[in-house]
Amino acid sequence: AQSVTQPDIHITVSEGASLELRCNYSYGATPYLFWYVQSPGQGLQLLLKYFSGDTLVQGIKGFEAEFKRSQSSFNLRKPSVHWSDAAEYFCAVGPSTPGTYKYIFGTGTRLKVLA
Amino acid sequence: NAGVTQTPKFRVLKTGQSMTLLCAQDMNHEYMYWYRQDPGMGLRLIHYSVGEGTTAKGEVPDGYNVSRLKKQNFLLGLESAAPSQTSVYFCASSLWNTEAFFGQGTRLTVV
Repeated sequence: AQSVTQPDIHITVSEGASLELRCNYSYGATPYLFWYVQSPGQGLQLLLKYFSGDTLVQGIKGFEAEFKRSQSSFNLRKPSVHWSDAAEYFCAVGPSTPGTYKYIFGTGTRLKVLA
Repeated sequence: NAGVTQTPKFRVLKTGQSMTLLCAQDMNHEYMYWYRQDPGMGLRLIHYSVGEGTTAKGEVPDGYNVSRLKKQNFLLGLESAAPSQTSVYFCASSLWNTEAFFGQGTRLTVV
């Protein structure tokens, strides 16, 4: 069955420090992968996506993610965190084969940023 | 361009009452989804639709019904609300091979 695992429920970093949020997936084919961010009381906003090609993808707000097929991972990174990055982050896999339609989400990682 | 719009944004229901949540998208997307979000559980798929007139069950469909009479609208119904349905509900839409676009959510409390 398709699944997404985000092993870290909460992460706290200091402003200016680097960040890595982990995501592992289980999918029968080459997946479409996404990272979304959710600020309190808001909907989900797309940070970046991977469909094919270069395994290092750049997104908005200075985020990047690397697809590693051998590790079934799609970790999100940012070199220097800003206080405004405090939010909840969701990794997801999307439908990539004919006849599939579902987006499957991880349980999320809540990021706290210390001033 | 509004994207995905959900109404209402907030609602309080008494146990046993019914209600309908409306999702409207103006992007001509084929696929539409209803998720619920609960603390520590991420987003769980309730129902989805792959086109006008079609619906399918997701991961947690019990207690909910849906309809997609028009391509741009996807309705989620609760026939007899229960406290376990207290949640934040998100609608999303997409095309094939794209990301899902989300609404701002509906916060529902069942007392």
